Amino acid sequence: EVQLVESGGGLVQPGRSLRLSCAASGFTFDDYAMHWVRQAPGKGLEWVSGISWNSGSIGYADSVKGRFTISRDNAKNSLYLQMNSLRAEDTALYYCARATVTTEGMDVWGKGTTVTVSS
Amino acid sequence: DIQMTQSPSSVSASVGDRVTITCRASQGISSWLAWYQQKPGKAPKLLIYAASSLQSGVPSRFSGSGSGTDFTLTISSLQPEDFATYYCQQANSFPLTFGQGTKVEIK
Repeated sequence: EVQLVESGGGLVQPGRSLRLSCAASGFTFDDYAMHWVRQAPGKGLEWVSGISWNSGSIGYADSVKGRFTISRDNAKNSLYLQMNSLRAEDTALYYCARATVTTEGMDVWGKGTTVTVSS
Repeated sequence: DIQMTQSPSSVSASVGDRVTITCRASQGISSWLAWYQQKPGKAPKLLIYAASSLQSGVPSRFSGSGSGTDFTLTISSLQPEDFATYYCQQANSFPLTFGQGTKVEIK
């Protein structure tokens, strides 16, 4: 079964750091680009960051650029999001998502991990 | 950055109705557009990719059209399980961006 499982969320104080992980299974991980997408409570979807299969192409939303770092370990079938200098507005459910083979959409999603930034 | 604008923000419809949602990009994105359905408490589900290609397993009542800056998602005959929020997303270039969503509600 194709599956993505996020972990690493939690309650963190403003200014602190958190590292999210996404474990992939059921498919050849290094064949696919991957993304992080978040959703604040009661709000719409916001793309956070994406990474190509070989880490050669990486992008970030303006709202997180310079604070968040995406990475992947193809040997471990894992995707990561290092989040530094967290702000209250980073509070959201963070989804890991697989890009389609042609990168024209995101066809597999995890259930998400919740990040709450509060003092 | 490419801005995606969906309309309407919400629509009330009855079972069997034809529903159309539009999405406009702030600049041309060729056919680099995807549509998603999201139900409360669930992850989004890919419906359409490359503007008009139906994702495997998605019912044929869903269809997408458009290219350049103007796109449409159509549900030909609304079913009870289709009441949800729908999002468009441009996949043309980083940063990727989503529309603000369209909530399809029961009339």
